[in-house]
Formats: sequence, structure tokens, C-alpha cells
Amino acid sequence: AQTVTQSQPEMSVQEAETVTLSCTYDTSESNYYLFWYKQPPSRQMILVIRQEAYKQQNATENRFSVNFQKAAKSFSLKISDSQLGDTAMYFCAFIYPNSGGSNYKLTFGKGTLLTVNP
Amino acid sequence: KAGVTQTPRYLIKTRGQQVTLSCSPISGHRSVSWYQQTPGQGLQFLFEYFSETQRNKGNFPGRFSGRQFSNSRSEMNVSTLELGDSALYLCASSPQGADIQYFGAGTRLSVL
Repeated sequence: AQTVTQSQPEMSVQEAETVTLSCTYDTSESNYYLFWYKQPPSRQMILVIRQEAYKQQNATENRFSVNFQKAAKSFSLKISDSQLGDTAMYFCAFIYPNSGGSNYKLTFGKGTLLTVNP
Repeated sequence: KAGVTQTPRYLIKTRGQQVTLSCSPISGHRSVSWYQQTPGQGLQFLFEYFSETQRNKGNFPGRFSGRQFSNSRSEMNVSTLELGDSALYLCASSPQGADIQYFGAGTRLSVL
């Protein structure tokens, strides 16, 4: 079974500073995808960044970047120049193709509540 | 393109009743997945539909069911509601074979 662990239930950061959220996962699959989703108080789950396991290069999306360590099964999210709008619950998630080649089920961590302070 | 639309946004029911939630996926997306989100259990997979067929089901009792229509819209039904069914129910859609799922804003169900 696949598991995703986020060890930091809550974190806070000052506006304009950098923060890193941790995530580890466990799987025996070799082909899979990792994601960070953001859920603000509005509840809408928004995709932040995506990483393909077979790509060694770390994904980057503007102020968001990941540190993907496949051997260590670690997938951390770095937010640079934090903004008040980054305040949200952040979920690390994992998906892999089933035997039919379709990706169907996201497995989520418990989430990290990030608060950006002015 | 319009995003994933879930209706209603809020529901209040009493124990023993049944409820139906609706999800309209992004145009062109044929896969629809449902998740339950609670403070204690986090986000848990309920089921996934593709082309009107349930392809996969999570570990939930038979009181939870769903269906998908020919236009890819999906509904989930919970019968004989229990207090523990109070949760945020999220629907997500994705194109065929894609790994990224796009979520709706959810339906908040409160069971009294």
C-alpha cells in the first residue's frame, strides 16, 4: 500500500521569507507522480506543482519548487518570497498508473497548515 | 473552460436520511473521482468513474454509491446517513489517462 507522510502539522513564515514543507512517501512502484495541492479557506483544492518520478530534474513553478529525492522517497516543497495569499493547507499527494495504465486514485498526506504572517 | 462544479455547496441532513451530491467535470474530462475529507481521517478515496463505469472503489461501506452519466456528470449517493458521514465531499475530474486531477470546491455535508 502507498502511504504519504507529512510530519509538520503546522508551520508559519513571515511575508517575503522562504519556507520548506516536508513530505515522505512509501511505495514499491517505479512509475508514479507526486503533487503538492493547496487548499485555502475557500476549500478549493488547487494544484501547486507536479513531479514525474522518472524525471530527475526538480519541478519549478514560479515561487514554488520541489526537492525530489527518489531514493530517499522524499518530496519537499519550497515556497520563496512567501505571500499572504499562500496561507492555506498544503497536501502532498501520490498517484500511479494501475495495471490498465490509468491513474485513478490520489493518496494524500494529512496536510500542513501554513500561515504567512505580515 | 469552466472548472469542476459541485452542487450543492452545503447540505444539512438528519441521521437515517439519504443524500445525493452532484459533480459536473471539466468539459472533455471523462474520469470523475470522489473523495471524502474529514479532520480525523483526512482525504480518502471513495470511487472513480470513467465512461459510465466504476473502475475503482475505496474502502467505504455499501451505503456509499455513485454513478456517471453519458455526459460525464457524476452523482454520489449516501443512504442511511450516520453522524460520521459529516464531511467535505470533493469531486475531481481528469482527462483520459492523465495523472492530474482537477478539483471542485466540494459539498459540505452535515449530519445531525
